[in-house]
Amino acid sequence: DTGVSQDPRHKITKRGQNVTFRCDPISEHNRLYWYRQTLGQGPEFLTYFQNEAQLEKSRLLSDRFSAERPKGSFSTLEIQRTEQGDSAMYLCASTPASGTGRGTGGVSSAFFGQGTRLTVV
Amino acid sequence: SQELEQSPQSLIVQEGKNLTINCTSSKTLYGLYWYKQKYGEGLIFLMMLQKGGEEKSHEKITAKLDEKKQQSSLHITASQPSHAGIYLCGADIGGSARQLTFGSGTQLTVLP
Repeated sequence: DTGVSQDPRHKITKRGQNVTFRCDPISEHNRLYWYRQTLGQGPEFLTYFQNEAQLEKSRLLSDRFSAERPKGSFSTLEIQRTEQGDSAMYLCASTPASGTGRGTGGVSSAFFGQGTRLTVV
Repeated sequence: SQELEQSPQSLIVQEGKNLTINCTSSKTLYGLYWYKQKYGEGLIFLMMLQKGGEEKSHEKITAKLDEKKQQSSLHITASQPSHAGIYLCGADIGGSARQLTFGSGTQLTVLP
């Protein structure tokens, strides 16, 4: 399977615990995104990497959240001291860096993984 | 209010009927993307529209972009139960070319 892969698919954790999710993008894609989706809503942007550089972070990404992409390949998203409000689906997407200018491929046709559903109890 | 508004929020149609889902932006669109999502799963890319007036089709699904109205529509012809799911529009708003802003989705149910 050459799609975007996320692990685990489901995670149940107690409030206050730390959790880490992993995303393996499509191999030739150098852009990687993390989004969060709550029930009944569309995904909300969290952060974005180009290769190993984290270029943008949303205000949604509090200091309890940290994301890394150490070698420009897979990425991890860690949430420390989880809260019930962190319960959501965490989606990873990857795109090639193709095209120039606005809307011509900078985001390209982003391919999403199956997501990690986090439940904080 | 959301930057991308989708309508309707939910839709129930009889198999074989046509339907349209709309996505309207409050800001300039720099690319409009349509995705489908099954409950609890990831997003499946359907189509990307970049230019005003652009129209794309895949099987029985057609999407159009009206750049002047900052609006896109997704039309399904002769719906089938396999079309059921959540349809999401995403857009590069503001031209950052770095992230997508999504609407809240339209839940489609197709009755056999």
